[in-house]
Amino acid sequence: ETGVTQSPTHLIKTRGQQVTLRCSSQSGHNTVSWYQQALGQGPQFIFQYYREEENGRGNFPPRFSGLQFPNYSSELNVNALELDDSALYLCASSSGTSATYEQYFGPGTRLTVT
Amino acid sequence: QKEVEQNSGPLSVPEGAIASLNCTYSDRGSQSFFWYRQYSGKSPELIMFIYSNGDKEDGRFTAQLNKASQYVSLLIRDSQPSDSATYLCADANNAGNMLTFGGGTRLMVKP
Repeated sequence: ETGVTQSPTHLIKTRGQQVTLRCSSQSGHNTVSWYQQALGQGPQFIFQYYREEENGRGNFPPRFSGLQFPNYSSELNVNALELDDSALYLCASSSGTSATYEQYFGPGTRLTVT
Repeated sequence: QKEVEQNSGPLSVPEGAIASLNCTYSDRGSQSFFWYRQYSGKSPELIMFIYSNGDKEDGRFTAQLNKASQYVSLLIRDSQPSDSATYLCADANNAGNMLTFGGGTRLMVKP
């Protein structure tokens, strides 16, 4: 088990609604990355936050947004939910922004959009 | 759009055998590569990373990188049933802050 926690564990939302997912990074880690993992596929990079600023973004629309707080915890917000947003959302924390710093994944939040 | 490709499997090997997992990548500029293991219903965990051409060994695991062929592999020696999982290959972008994952290969080790 890593020291990364995510909440909630599971979530069911209706198309068009908004959702906020939360991540607490491992102690000593200042960088949080968010990934979307659809069933049977590999994780897809959404964005990364470092010291409260976005530090890189994958191919996701602006309705996916995030925040990082002074304690390095982070939120992922998704507006105008679509059925294809149904997935496992993973956050990973690391002690630096480079991929050479090992990313420790949290247990994920399973989002179902109906 | 950079891509990382893996055979989805399942790859089935008997206990004690060598499991060979393969991955190809599209970005010739990629410098660093990662292998993650993901048990069903769990999050990925890092097994190994490799930056240089050639082999890198860590216990029962050996990662191999061939930049000319844009090919990365992971060998698991003396495979155990507990190795049964999905193995994800990933490469990092030039800034090193974004991992691009393949779709994963499901490995089944039969007792």
